[in-house]
Amino acid sequence: DSGVTQTPKHLITATGQRVTLRCSPRSGDLSVYWYQQSLDQGLQFLIQYYNGEERAKGNILERFSAQQFPDLHSELNLSSLELGDSALYFCASSVAPVGDSPLHFGNGTRLTVT
Amino acid sequence: GQQVMQIPQYQHVQEGEDFTTYCNSSTTLSNIQWYKQRPGGHPVFLIQLVKSGEVKKQKRLTFQFGEAKKNSSLHITATQTTDVGTYFCAEPSGGGADGLTFGKGTHLIIQP
Repeated sequence: DSGVTQTPKHLITATGQRVTLRCSPRSGDLSVYWYQQSLDQGLQFLIQYYNGEERAKGNILERFSAQQFPDLHSELNLSSLELGDSALYFCASSVAPVGDSPLHFGNGTRLTVT
Repeated sequence: GQQVMQIPQYQHVQEGEDFTTYCNSSTTLSNIQWYKQRPGGHPVFLIQLVKSGEVKKQKRLTFQFGEAKKNSSLHITATQTTDVGTYFCAEPSGGGADGLTFGKGTHLIIQP
């Protein structure tokens, strides 16, 4: 158990809809990262928050947004969903904001857009 | 953006054979990390290499960091069915971004 909690485990929705994925980081971790994993693209970095502030953006679409709340949990909002958004979405957390700390991944949310 | 190149993409081995996956970067890395993802699971941190030429061992797994800190390898001796999964290397994203950029991974398939 990594200590990172993601909900829901599975999500099935239709094109054009909007969904919210939730993540609670490991106790004590201030950094939260969102990654998208699809079969042909591997693990793609979407966005990072550190102690409530956006820290870095990766290949995140404008239809996607995220935030980190004062209790450090984070939400990833995906809107105007398309078939190609179907993927596994992982949240990870780390102690420090810099790229030399191990990432601890949650179990992921599998999103299926039909 | 930068992305570490990882080969091979797939590797089929007979149980008991050795396995190696390689990562190459065009830039000098401050460190490199390795993760394992079991089928249906999430990536799990294995190890971090920091020093030039560093070699670390975890039971049957041997991790190496190149002298120039531009490449790394993971070698598994005498594979077992529990080694099945995808092995990722990851480098600091850099360019002002925190976090890690992952290679595409090597899928290890073991035939009993």
